Amino acid sequence: TQLLEQSPQFLSIQEGENLTVYCNSSSVFSSLQWYRQEPGEGPVLLVTVVTGGEVKKLKRLTFQFGDARKDSSLHITAAQPGDTGLYLCAGAWGDSSYKLIFGSGTRLLVRP
Amino acid sequence: DVKVTQSSRYLVKRTGEKVFLECVQDMDHENMFWYRQDPGLGLRLIYFSYDVKMKEKGDIPEGYSVSREKKERFSLILESASTNQTSMYLCASSLAGGSNQPQHFGDGTRLSIL
Repeated sequence: TQLLEQSPQFLSIQEGENLTVYCNSSSVFSSLQWYRQEPGEGPVLLVTVVTGGEVKKLKRLTFQFGDARKDSSLHITAAQPGDTGLYLCAGAWGDSSYKLIFGSGTRLLVRP
Repeated sequence: DVKVTQSSRYLVKRTGEKVFLECVQDMDHENMFWYRQDPGLGLRLIYFSYDVKMKEKGDIPEGYSVSREKKERFSLILESASTNQTSMYLCASSLAGGSNQPQHFGDGTRLSIL
C-alpha cells in the first residue's frame, strides 16, 4: 500500500503567523494535488503540481513539489481565519491509473 | 462549475439494513469515485467507475457494492450495514485521462449505523 504522510496533523496558530505543511512519500508521483476541506463540505482542489521542483502561488499560499517528485509542501503567509480547514495532499500516478492516494490531512485553526 | 450532488447529508440506519447512497454529477465526467473519510485516516477509496457499467475495487471494498447504470449517477450500496461502516462518505467525479485529473467532490453523507 502506498503511503502519503502529512505533518503536522494539527496546527493552531494566531492570525498573521506563517506556517508550512508537509506531504512526504517514498513513492514517485506524476503529480500531486492539494485540497482544502471546510466543515460540512467536500474537499476542493487548490492546486496541482506536476514538474519536479515546481513552485506555484495562489495568493498567500505557496506550493512546492520536490525535485524527486516524492514530497510537497504548502506554505501560508500571514494566515487568516478564513484559511481554517483540513488540508489534504493527494498523489497521482498519471495516465496508468485512475486512483489518487490521499494523505491523512492537516487540520489548521487560525485564531483571530 | 462542476456540481456533484449526494442525495443525503445525514442518514441513520440500523445494523443489517441494506443502505443506498446516491451521487449525481452534471458535467459529463467519465470517472466517478466513492470514498469514506474517518478521523486520522484521510480518504480511502471504496470503489470507482471509469465508464457506465464498469467498476473497479478500491482499497476497502469489503461490505460494499456499486452501481453505475447511467453516466451521471453512481450509487454505493451497503449490502448489510454494520456499525463499523459508520463514517462520512464522499462521492467524486473527474474527467478521463488518468489520476492527474482533479477530482470534484460532493458535500458528503454522514452515515450512522446503530
